[in-house]
Amino acid sequence: DVKVTQSSRYLVKRTGEKVFLECVQDMDHENMFWYRQDPGLGLRLIYFSYDVKMKEKGDIPEGYSVSREKKERFSLILESASTNQTSMYLCASATTSPLHFGNGTRLTVT
Amino acid sequence: EDQVTQSPEALRLQEGESSSLNCSYTVSGLRGLFWYRQDPGKGPEFLFTLYSAGEEKEKERLKATLTKKESFLHITAPKPEDSATYLCAVRISGNTPLVFGKGTRLSVIA
Repeated sequence: DVKVTQSSRYLVKRTGEKVFLECVQDMDHENMFWYRQDPGLGLRLIYFSYDVKMKEKGDIPEGYSVSREKKERFSLILESASTNQTSMYLCASATTSPLHFGNGTRLTVT
Repeated sequence: EDQVTQSPEALRLQEGESSSLNCSYTVSGLRGLFWYRQDPGKGPEFLFTLYSAGEEKEKERLKATLTKKESFLHITAPKPEDSATYLCAVRISGNTPLVFGKGTRLSVIA
């Protein structure tokens, strides 16, 4: 079974902090994705990567950056956390399809 | 603009009361339609992929169907453990990221 592991289930950070969300997959998938999920807005794509050191902007990249130094690891970085970045963050990976998701990180920015 | 719309937003059923969830899409070229189940506090779990009109897939009490404009997720004689949010997503071309609908929140009451 594919396993996508997100390092934290719950995270509380202060406004202005730099925040790192980590995601690791164990199936040698080329493609990795970061989504955020908010009530009434559904899943929105932040960034994705089709290969090591590659990154592409999704629909809502503002305020975020990513890093993919190794194939199995995809990190989401909030450069300066703000309260409107309070959300559930979901990482996913795939070769082609379907996407396999981690269990999410619920981030609260106070 | 490509769009995926799910209806209803929420559905409450009595145990054993069969029903259907709808996913309509307006995309320029469908390269796959995906159904996921999401339990509270967890990441989405893959259920089905459909590729062409007329295709059907089944798993236990769930059956997914596809036409040229929409997909249905039929739930036959649901049980309380079927309570979850069901997400629909489409792939438009090649290896592009999935576009998700906002989901249908299903509650099955014993």
